[in-house]
Amino acid sequence: QAQLVQSGADVKRPGSSVKVSCKASGTSFNNYGVTWVRQAPGQGLEWMGGIIPMFGTVSYAQKFQDRVTITADASKTTVSLDLSGLRSEDTAVYYCARSPRYGGNSPISYYYHMDVWGQGTTVTVSS
Amino acid sequence: DIQMTQSPSSLSASVGDRVTITCRASQSINKYLNWYQQKPGRAPKLLIYGASSFQSGVPSRFSGSGSGTDFTLTISNLQPEDFATYYCQQSYSFPLSFGGGTKVEIK
Repeated sequence: QAQLVQSGADVKRPGSSVKVSCKASGTSFNNYGVTWVRQAPGQGLEWMGGIIPMFGTVSYAQKFQDRVTITADASKTTVSLDLSGLRSEDTAVYYCARSPRYGGNSPISYYYHMDVWGQGTTVTVSS
Repeated sequence: DIQMTQSPSSLSASVGDRVTITCRASQSINKYLNWYQQKPGRAPKLLIYGASSFQSGVPSRFSGSGSGTDFTLTISNLQPEDFATYYCQQSYSFPLSFGGGTKVEIK
């Protein structure tokens, strides 16, 4: 059974960086996209960006473009999210999710829907 | 960017009721529309993809319809475990985007 296991909760100071990892279990990321979504306390879901591990192709939301880096390891079983310049508004639960490919080979084709989710990682930014 | 608007933002219903949630895209997204259910403290769960296709294991009381800009999620015969927040999400173009959510509460 496919599972995504994320790294544990973290507390960070404003201005610092955080790295959240997402490891595939019972599956690999070959032929999938991997998306990062965050949810601030009491708020909705916000797409941050994603990566196609097979190609290393990344797509980022413009809001995070200057602060976020998404990478995949060579085995294509672990994807990581790096967020820099943390501020209190970045306090949230961060989720990774696997997305199957549908249709052609353009990057958007690798994000058809999010069928397997990680358990979420709480990141708290506080001085 | 494509904006997704859900309505209502919340609703109260009773067990056994039929519930309809709507989602509107700011431009046509064909059928690239997905629905998720989220319970407190849990990750979202995929219910419907491609506007009307069932994710494996999802009860048949959940159904989705629509194309272009207007979509609906229907829950027939609402069950106690269905009280949750529901989100629509478009996968037509970057940036991917979610609706604001609809919280289904017990009347």
